[in-house]
Amino acid sequence: DGGITQSPKYLFRKEGQNVTLSCEQNLNHDAMYWYRQDPGQGLRLIYYSQIVNDFQKGDIAEGYSVSREKKESFPLTVTSAQKNPTAFYLCASSHDSENRGVRTEAFFGQGTRLTVV
Amino acid sequence: SQELEQSPQSLIVQEGKNLTINCTSSKTLYGLYWYKQKYGEGLIFLMMLQKGGEEKSHEKITAKLDEKKQQSSLHITASQPSHAGIYLCGADRTGTASKLTFGTGTRLQVTL
Repeated sequence: DGGITQSPKYLFRKEGQNVTLSCEQNLNHDAMYWYRQDPGQGLRLIYYSQIVNDFQKGDIAEGYSVSREKKESFPLTVTSAQKNPTAFYLCASSHDSENRGVRTEAFFGQGTRLTVV
Repeated sequence: SQELEQSPQSLIVQEGKNLTINCTSSKTLYGLYWYKQKYGEGLIFLMMLQKGGEEKSHEKITAKLDEKKQQSSLHITASQPSHAGIYLCGADRTGTASKLTFGTGTRLQVTL
């Protein structure tokens, strides 16, 4: 079945360590996104990518890094520079509607809950 | 500050009652999306609105976008326990559809 998969579902990190969250989609979507969700808050955009080998910073990119080497994959690295990394991370993808003149909805993965221990 | 404001932040309604959730922006919205989220899970797409004055319905949920495309409402008729969750509005505020940002969310509880 087509969809977007995040792994792992739960992740524990020691302070000072980098960790990488996986996001894979087989929907043939051009655009992919990473969001962070804290308790009682909405989603905040970390990074997004409209095409392979290109990505842009969202509203809270500091302390995070991404790569987009393949259309299907958009991994997020939470670096030691991120001061408060404990959160729920959501990945999403959509057709690159801007280029095609058609706006479509984003599909979301099931999320990764990252906890710093 | 959050550029997409949702109200109320939380809502408790009795089963069978109607309810409305609002999403407001100070800027024109090029696309407005409504999603539902169960705690600790991903987001489920509900509806997308693009044109001023547009209204869409699915089962007992109706969403509207005002003529100025700065405010949207989500209305649930005859609420059921299955409607419980977090409702989030998302919007393309810049005309760049890939930069999709979200509101603060509204937590809905439905009591028996």
